[in-house]
Amino acid sequence: SAVISQKPSRDICQRGTSLTIQCQVDSQVTMMFWYRQQPGQSLTLIATANQGSEATYESGFVIDKFPISRPNLTFSTLTVSNMSPEDSSIYLCSVGSGTGPTGELFFGEGSRLTVL
Amino acid sequence: AQSVSQHNHHVILSEAASLELGCNYSYGGTVNLFWYVQYPGQHLQLLLKYFSGDPLVKGIKGFEAEFIKSKFSFNLRKPSVQWSDTAEYFCAVSGGGSYIPTFGRGTSLIVHP
Repeated sequence: SAVISQKPSRDICQRGTSLTIQCQVDSQVTMMFWYRQQPGQSLTLIATANQGSEATYESGFVIDKFPISRPNLTFSTLTVSNMSPEDSSIYLCSVGSGTGPTGELFFGEGSRLTVL
Repeated sequence: AQSVSQHNHHVILSEAASLELGCNYSYGGTVNLFWYVQYPGQHLQLLLKYFSGDPLVKGIKGFEAEFIKSKFSFNLRKPSVQWSDTAEYFCAVSGGGSYIPTFGRGTSLIVHP
């Protein structure tokens, strides 16, 4: 299993500002995934972050709004830019299990973001 | 695109009651199936998974799930719930050429002591 640490665990932000969420994994992983968990909604994949290449964004998510960095195999950041109240959500970092691409994921504790 | 439906969004039970949470998915090919659980204040963690073999899968804390291919279902069950089972439960499915899972909306389970 992987241990994933996210910072901040929660934050309250003003409309129009940006916030960067950090994700640190205790082992080297090829792919890291960023999810959004809105109240009463399913987890929605924002993007897949690969080391050394541009992140791959899912439909409905764009790089200008959610820029992602992946400087090495254990770290990634997700920035939520120009925030609005609709961005209030829990943002989750996850990685796949070490047994191959099966879909089994390990998750961080999430970053709860409230935008006023 | 793959979709996952969880029919029960909120379930309230008394301790010792039996539990069954429904999960249906849309993809007709080979799938990997998961149930994740999120206890209050904790991170999402894997409860059980199905890749192949026996369609009745046993997970942690007495949970089990049955894969019924003909019904595209992977329902979660527990014969006798405990107060400590209070949590959010998510069904997830990967397949169709993507190993990245699609999640259901989640079911909030509250167990009264």
